[in-house]
Amino acid sequence: EAQVTQNPRYLITVTGKKLTVTCSQNMNHEYMSWYRQDPGLGLRQIYYSMNVEVTDKGDVPEGYKVSRKEKRNFPLILESPSPNQTSLYFCASSTGRVNTEAFFGQGTRLTVV
Amino acid sequence: AQKITQTQPGMFVQEKEAVTLDCTYDTSDPSYGLFWYKQPSSGEMIFLIYQGSYDQQNATEGRYSLNFQKARKSANLVISASQLGDSAMYFCAMCGTALIFGKGTTLSVSS
Repeated sequence: EAQVTQNPRYLITVTGKKLTVTCSQNMNHEYMSWYRQDPGLGLRQIYYSMNVEVTDKGDVPEGYKVSRKEKRNFPLILESPSPNQTSLYFCASSTGRVNTEAFFGQGTRLTVV
Repeated sequence: AQKITQTQPGMFVQEKEAVTLDCTYDTSDPSYGLFWYKQPSSGEMIFLIYQGSYDQQNATEGRYSLNFQKARKSANLVISASQLGDSAMYFCAMCGTALIFGKGTTLSVSS
């Protein structure tokens, strides 16, 4: 089954404790991206990757890092999480950057206390 | 700059009625795609329908249709014969240089 898998689904952590949210897709998609969803703001892009070893900032990259060492994986790293990073996070993948349907992971609900 | 605007924070409709969710967009790119996603209370994002900027006909997928008016830069989602399971948040999105989302519209369907 074609899917995008995120882990964990839920995470509560403390300020400053490094964490990684994993994302994996089995569709051989080149394009992957991370979004955060906050009430009243919709989804905003954090980072995206057009292929292995190619990443770039989205609209809200501050406080986040990503890597793309393999085509299927695109982890999101919070080196020093802060409470304003409490949000619902989505990973998405697609065959290209433009005019193609994005497949979303199940979402990760992160709370930073 | 690209922008998506959804002006209806919430919509209420009764079962079996049709409902239109509004979406306007702004872009200077001649080539772009317009999407609608559904997000039920469980949180996952479900793709509903896609319209390309060069498509001559409005896209349809079952009970969903996209009313694409290019000159007005609008891409409204029409749901015919609403069902209780249609209650969810709906996002309009545009893909040009990046996938950009509106702020969403919460649809509530009552019996």
